Parts: sequence; structure tokens; C-alpha cells
Amino acid sequence: DAKTTQPTSMDCAEGRAANLPCNHSTISGNEYVYWYRQIHSQGPQYIIHGLKNNETNEMASLIITEDRKSSTLILPHATLRDTAVYYCIVRVSGSARQLTFGSGTQLTVLP
Amino acid sequence: GAVVSQHPSWVICKSGTSVKIECRSLDFQATTMFWYRQFPKQSLMLMATSNEGSKATYEQGVEKDKFLINHASLTLSTLTVTSAHPEDSSFYICSAAPSGTDTQYFGPGTRLTVL
Repeated sequence: DAKTTQPTSMDCAEGRAANLPCNHSTISGNEYVYWYRQIHSQGPQYIIHGLKNNETNEMASLIITEDRKSSTLILPHATLRDTAVYYCIVRVSGSARQLTFGSGTQLTVLP
Repeated sequence: GAVVSQHPSWVICKSGTSVKIECRSLDFQATTMFWYRQFPKQSLMLMATSNEGSKATYEQGVEKDKFLINHASLTLSTLTVTSAHPEDSSFYICSAAPSGTDTQYFGPGTRLTVL
């Protein structure tokens, strides 16, 4: 699975959009970009994933650059409950494949 | 989304005893489940892959005789920490994906403290 690079930490004001970047310059054509988040002392929560098209769901939007070497997770209106560690993970598809977690980005939403 | 549960959510035990942690997929079946371990201020580390009806596969450095995994049905995998020691104190998390899908769903985790 391709390696990802994320900033260690970010702050965001409550109610504003949170934009979390992820670099994955060695991504291959059959690898998806997954985003999970982990609130303190809880299991990771699935947010969204995509291959090359931008994706949106009720939680967030995922913007993938045309060359697929980077992506951005957007939380449109951050709340205090969005404070968590956000993980960007790149891997090929398959339910029998594990996820490899990096260090992630600690997002702190400020009141 | 799919729901994965774990039991217990936390457990405290004495050194030398064994502890069993259950991971259940509540609304889907999973032929494969994964067990992770997370130490304070660190990321999740894969311990083993649990396969229904067959032996688990362990990551390098994880002792299979110490961390016993049983995946007896398509909705249940168990992790038994045998002869637990204080260094086994950690947050244990399982995950599974509904068959035919790619998205892993995680349990809420089990906090193990060995005294």
C-alpha cells in the first residue's frame, strides 16, 4: 500500500470548514484513498473513500487531485465533536485486506 | 453503516491470568476480521488477521501462542490474551468488512489493564 503524509496537527474554528490534506505521491492506479477518524478512546470511524472522482456523503467531501497524488478531506461545518485524529489511508480494494494506519492529523475544533 | 461490537469495553486483570475479548459483526457476515492494538499516543498496529474456519495469520513480532484467535462463525471472532502481563495493557480494536465490500468497520475497542 502506498505511503501517505499528513500534517501532525491542525486547528479549525467551530462552524468553519476544515480542510485536511494528504499526500500520496506513490499511489498506484488500483489504490483507493480512505479516510477514517478516531475520537479519543474510541474505535476508528469510517468517513469516506474514493478512487479518482470527488466524493461526498453526509459526513464529508473528498477531493482527489487529477494526478491522484494528493487529496483533501473537507468537513464543511466543523463542530466540537469533530475533534479527532484523522487518518488518510491508501490501499487496494478487497475486504480481506487490512488497513495500515500512519500517524494521522490531530484536528482540534476550537469554540 | 455496518456495526461491529466488542465485549468487554474495558477489563482489569491480574498478571498471569487470561482475558478473552469478543468481536461481533451485528448486521453482516465477515469471513475476515482484523485485530489491532493501540498503545497510548500511538497509532493502531495490526496484530493478526482472523479467518473464519481457519487459522489466524499473525504479524511479525506478535506471539500466536500468547494471543489466541478463534473465528468460529461468520459474525464472531475472539482474542484471548493468555498469561497477561502489564506490558500487554493496551487498547485492543477489531474490524471487519461486509463480504463483497471494501470498507472496514471498527469496533469500539477494549481497554485492557493488567495489574
